Amino acid sequence: DAEITQSPRHKITETGRQVTLACHQTWNHNNMFWYRQDLGHGLRLIHYSYGVQDTNKGEVSDGYSVSRSNTEDLPLTLESAASSQTSVYFCASSESTGDYEQYFGPGTRLTVT
Amino acid sequence: RKEVEQDPGPFNVPEGATVAFNCTYSNSASQSFFWYRQDCRKEPKLLMSVYSSGNEDGRFTAQLNRASQYISLLIRDSKLSDSATYLCVVSYLPRDDKIIFGKGTRLHILP
Repeated sequence: DAEITQSPRHKITETGRQVTLACHQTWNHNNMFWYRQDLGHGLRLIHYSYGVQDTNKGEVSDGYSVSRSNTEDLPLTLESAASSQTSVYFCASSESTGDYEQYFGPGTRLTVT
Repeated sequence: RKEVEQDPGPFNVPEGATVAFNCTYSNSASQSFFWYRQDCRKEPKLLMSVYSSGNEDGRFTAQLNRASQYISLLIRDSKLSDSATYLCVVSYLPRDDKIIFGKGTRLHILP
């Protein structure tokens, strides 16, 4: 069955370190998205991609970057982790036609100390 | 006015009852609408897309009212397993690169 996975599921890191969160989907979807979810906020879009070599900034992109070298993967990098980036991160993918219904990975819980 | 607004709840509803909640949105340029459910500490899962004609999936009925700019979700014969947070999602794809998630409505089904 097609799926979307994230790794690691939990991560503790120190302020200032570079961190990369992995997202891998086997749906063969062109569109991939990264969100963060914090108490008091809905899911907020960080970055997204409509295909290989395409990346775009979302609502809360400062301090984050992504790259898309193949269809299956969209890794999210925190260049220099800050305590404000402690959050739960969700990756999602969708078709590039129709209603663009998104399917989410299980999430990564990141703590920056 | 916030782009997408939901009553945060919680809605405490006895098992077997019918419950309904709405979500309002402010931008008429929105293209697609969805309801997701999210269990505690889990990922959001697509419940259903929402269309102007209304759509039904078993005990769940969703409706879109473009004139009044709201979407609704009705759950009939509620089950304990329906306890979750329900997220309203408004998408502007493909015209505009924007997807807005509501903060969610918490639903507790009581035995």
